Amino acid sequence: AQTVTQSQPEMSVQEAETVTLSCTYDTSESDYYLFWYKQPPSRQMILVIRQEAYKQQNATENRFSVNFQKAAKSFSLKISDSQLGDAAMYFCAYRSATTPSGAHYRDNYGQNFVFGPGTRLSVLP
Amino acid sequence: DTAVSQTPKYLVTQMGNDKSIKCEQNLGHDTMYWYKQDSKKFLKIMFSYNNKELIINETVPNRFSPKSPDKAHLNLHINSLELGDSAVYFCASSQGWTSGRRNEQFFGPGTRLTVL
Repeated sequence: AQTVTQSQPEMSVQEAETVTLSCTYDTSESDYYLFWYKQPPSRQMILVIRQEAYKQQNATENRFSVNFQKAAKSFSLKISDSQLGDAAMYFCAYRSATTPSGAHYRDNYGQNFVFGPGTRLSVLP
Repeated sequence: DTAVSQTPKYLVTQMGNDKSIKCEQNLGHDTMYWYKQDSKKFLKIMFSYNNKELIINETVPNRFSPKSPDKAHLNLHINSLELGDSAVYFCASSQGWTSGRRNEQFFGPGTRLTVL
């Protein structure tokens, strides 16, 4: 069964500094997707960055980048030049690339979309 | 021009009642989802649905049922509400099950359900 672990329940960073949020996952699948979502106090879930497992190149979106280590099953998020608006809960998420068909997929459906427990990031002025 | 909208944003009700949460997406997506986020912020998928197929997380009680009048809507009905149903419920949509390589899910703003 797929699992996602975020070992840091809370993190803080000084404004303009860099912070790295860790995420590790466990899966026996070879093809999958990984995501980082941000949930500010407004509760809205916002996609920050995505990574396809078949791509070796680390994804980058402006100040956000990931360090994807497939063999180590690690997917950390780096936020550069932190801003006050970056303060939020950050969730690492795993999604299976299995095409939905058959009893096996249905029986294990809950394992095909898995979110980590989240890391609360505070940004200090 | 909201992409995924949910109503209501807040819902307070008594145990035993039946309630519905509505979700609409204007992105032209084929697949919609319902997630539950509990008080500890754990997010768990409940359902996925496109116009052909409903897939249910087997851990979801059958008091919960999704209903889709059309491709742009996936409403969540909950019968005989229990205290443990209190949570934030998120609707989401995506282009397909695994269409292309994007798989991005767009989330609605969430509905905070409180059962008294």
